Amino acid sequence: DVKVTQSSRYLVKRTGEKVFLECVQDMDHENMFWYRQDPGLGLRLIYFSYDVKMKEKGDIPEGYSVSREKKERFSLILESASTNQTSMYLCASSFLYGGDKETQYFGPGTRLLVL
Amino acid sequence: GENVEQHPSTLSVQEGDSAVIKCTYSDSASNYFPWYKQELGKGPQLIIDIRSNVGEKKDQRIAVTLNKTAKHFSLHITETQPEDSAVYFCARGSTLGRLYFGRGTQLTVWP
Repeated sequence: DVKVTQSSRYLVKRTGEKVFLECVQDMDHENMFWYRQDPGLGLRLIYFSYDVKMKEKGDIPEGYSVSREKKERFSLILESASTNQTSMYLCASSFLYGGDKETQYFGPGTRLLVL
Repeated sequence: GENVEQHPSTLSVQEGDSAVIKCTYSDSASNYFPWYKQELGKGPQLIIDIRSNVGEKKDQRIAVTLNKTAKHFSLHITETQPEDSAVYFCARGSTLGRLYFGRGTQLTVWP
């Protein structure tokens, strides 16, 4: 079974803090993705990575950065958290090649509250 | 050209009835269209997908239809059950395995 785990289910941070959200997958997937989910807005892609040390901007990268130092781990960083970054953050992973390459496997999400 | 429009945003049906969710897209190069189901407190999970060389695909009570000319695709759930209650997302595939998602449909099945 594919497993995508996220470091926290719930997180409360203060405005201006640096926040790290960690995601780990155990399927040797090349691709990893960070989304944010807000009511009525669906899933919006923040960043994705198709290989170690590679990153691509998604639709809403402003205020975020990412790090992929190992294949199984993809970190989302909020350099200086703001209240408008209060949201649900979802990590996903998938193969880049092969028959199953377009199926994304999601983690359970991290609900972040910025006060 | 990148967005996927999804309707309705909410859908309530009686147990046993059918539910239909529709999505439209504008990028004619798209050839992969998955549907994800998100249950409360969980991440989305793929339930069915379709490629552009096929017009319909079924898996038990769920089916997806694709009209590539009109650029729309639909999810059909028959004989709905309370456990079908969830948020459903349509998406279209793109390069490097990226997906563009619709905004989601909250389906509620009343017993």
